[in-house]
Amino acid sequence: DGGITQSPKYLFRKEGQNVTLSCEQNLNHDAMYWYRQDPGQGLRLIYYSQIVNDFQKGDIAEGYSVSREKKESFPLTVTSAQKNPTAFYLCASSITGMNTEAFFGQGTRLTVV
Amino acid sequence: AQKVTQAQTEISVVEKEDVTLDCVYETRDTTYYLFWYKQPPSGELVFLIRRNSFDEQNEISGRYSWNFQKSTSSFNFTITASQVVDSAVYFCALSENWGSGAGSYQLTFGKGTKLSVIP
Repeated sequence: DGGITQSPKYLFRKEGQNVTLSCEQNLNHDAMYWYRQDPGQGLRLIYYSQIVNDFQKGDIAEGYSVSREKKESFPLTVTSAQKNPTAFYLCASSITGMNTEAFFGQGTRLTVV
Repeated sequence: AQKVTQAQTEISVVEKEDVTLDCVYETRDTTYYLFWYKQPPSGELVFLIRRNSFDEQNEISGRYSWNFQKSTSSFNFTITASQVVDSAVYFCALSENWGSGAGSYQLTFGKGTKLSVIP
């Protein structure tokens, strides 16, 4: 089955640690995205990538880093510089172009303990 | 400035009632796309509909219908005869050109409307 797989589903992090969230897609999509969702805030774009080896900052990129070495993979690292990392993180992919819908993974819930 | 506004934070209806979710957007582009997504409790967003800026025809899909009006920059979503399975958070989103690179498009989401359908 084609789709987007995010792992882990739940992640706990101690303050001061970096953690990496995985996102893999087998839809052959060029574009991939990371969103952060907080209660009452909707989805906010962290980073996006339109093509392999290229990515752009979104609205709230501070404290996060990404890589796009393979078309299928777009991991997100939440660094210790992110002051409030507890949130629900959603990865998405789409065929490049504004008229195409994005397909989403099931999300990773990150909690700082 | 918020580009996509969903003024209704939460709505509760009794099963079989009709309900309309409002979405107002803001853009300077003449070409853009609007989307609605559903987020059930499982967390994954599910695509419902796409509409381009040149097509103002209303659309109906089963119990769902959408009303797009460029004059008021609105793209409202109506569920007819609501069911408990419709309980979810619904997001309206705008896709427009963003950045200087070719193909630099991004989705901007509203804050969502949480719909609760009571049996």
